[in-house]
Amino acid sequence: AQKITQTQPGMFVQEKEAVTLDCTYDTSDQSYGLFWYKQPSSGEMIFLIYQGSYDEQNATEGRYSLNFQKARKSANLVISASQLGDSAMYFCAMRLSVSGNTPLVFGKGTRLSVIA
Amino acid sequence: DSGVTQTPKHLITATGQRVTLRCSPRSGDLSVYWYQQSLDQGLQFLIQYYNGEERAKGNILERFSAQQFPDLHSELNLSSLELGDSALYFCASSDHPHRVGYGYTFGSGTRLTVV
Repeated sequence: AQKITQTQPGMFVQEKEAVTLDCTYDTSDQSYGLFWYKQPSSGEMIFLIYQGSYDEQNATEGRYSLNFQKARKSANLVISASQLGDSAMYFCAMRLSVSGNTPLVFGKGTRLSVIA
Repeated sequence: DSGVTQTPKHLITATGQRVTLRCSPRSGDLSVYWYQQSLDQGLQFLIQYYNGEERAKGNILERFSAQQFPDLHSELNLSSLELGDSALYFCASSDHPHRVGYGYTFGSGTRLTVV
């Protein structure tokens, strides 16, 4: 069964600095997708970025990038130039079969606090 | 507005009672997923439906049940409620075949409080 581990319950970062949120995963499948979601205090789940297991390049979306190290089974989220609005819970998630319609499995999340 | 509608947004009920949470997926999406998020916890997958049929089951209690109707909306029924069932319940939908690189579209959730 697949598993997602986020070892940082909480993180602090100074405004305008970069921060890395850690995520490791465990699966024996070769085809999978990795996702990051943001959950602000209002509660909604916001999709941030995706990385496929066969993608050779690290994914980037604006200030978000995903540091994908397949051999280490890690998919860390890097947020550059942090903003106060980045304060939220961040969840790493995985689904097996990149194009399959299978459930996402989530980690327990990391609470990021951006300090002015 | 994500396109996934969940009702009600908030629900307060007593132990032992039964409630129904409703979800309308985004237009065109055939798959519906239900998740439970307890305090300071990640999202726990409960159950998935695809075009009216149960597709996958997670850690769903026997006291909980769900279904997806012909118009694709879904309902999650929680019965014999306990204090520990208090949580944020999310519905999400996705299309099929799944667009590579897209996760789910989440609803805004139903916050259930059992007193």
